[in-house]
Amino acid sequence: DVVMTQSPLSLPVTLGQAASISCRSSQSLVHSDGYTDLHWVQQRPGQSPRRLVYQVSNRDSGVPDTFSGSGSGTDFTLKISRVEAEDVGVYYCMQGTHWPPTFGQGTKLEIK
Amino acid sequence: QVQLVQSGAEMKKPGASVKVSCKPSGYTFTSYHIIWVRQAAGQGLEWMGWMSPTSGDTGYVQKFQGRVTMTSNTSISTAYMELSSLRSEDTAVYYCVRGFWLDFWGQGTLVTVSS
Repeated sequence: DVVMTQSPLSLPVTLGQAASISCRSSQSLVHSDGYTDLHWVQQRPGQSPRRLVYQVSNRDSGVPDTFSGSGSGTDFTLKISRVEAEDVGVYYCMQGTHWPPTFGQGTKLEIK
Repeated sequence: QVQLVQSGAEMKKPGASVKVSCKPSGYTFTSYHIIWVRQAAGQGLEWMGWMSPTSGDTGYVQKFQGRVTMTSNTSISTAYMELSSLRSEDTAVYYCVRGFWLDFWGQGTLVTVSS
């Protein structure tokens, strides 16, 4: 199975500061037809997960533009340009290029 | 708006089976696969498999092969996930999700396995 490795696993951030989460895959996530099946999911405390970004860099409807996804091949990043209180939660990357789809371990973002 | 509404919490004994339902609304049920993901308490997310409401085709992660069955009833636009031979390690919240790109999630169903 493709292993998704996130870092850091814990991310204390001051309100208004930037934050960055890295996600590395054990194999390239580029499909034979060129697209990359890498998504980011947010899980706020006590809530169901919610997708934030799909196919590396496409923000979902309603997701603030403070969130951005980037990367290629095996290295991907989720950035929050200015952290707000509502951003607290756990962030997961997920790959769907290879069967079975796999998630990273999760990165817990908290406010300092 | 798109919603996936799941059945309520279940408590089962080891060795029993559980069947969780998922009723999407706000889109055509047969237009998207249904994915099932689970999360043990304090743990990460784990894919279990997928089901096509159109064809009935399924794909299960090897870990769950032989114990999980994903089905649907298109007449009532409802998907089901049945897990058998339950053990304590199956205690988790089970989510149904729309499509391989996981764009909409259900509220989750807590399944507790305890003697």
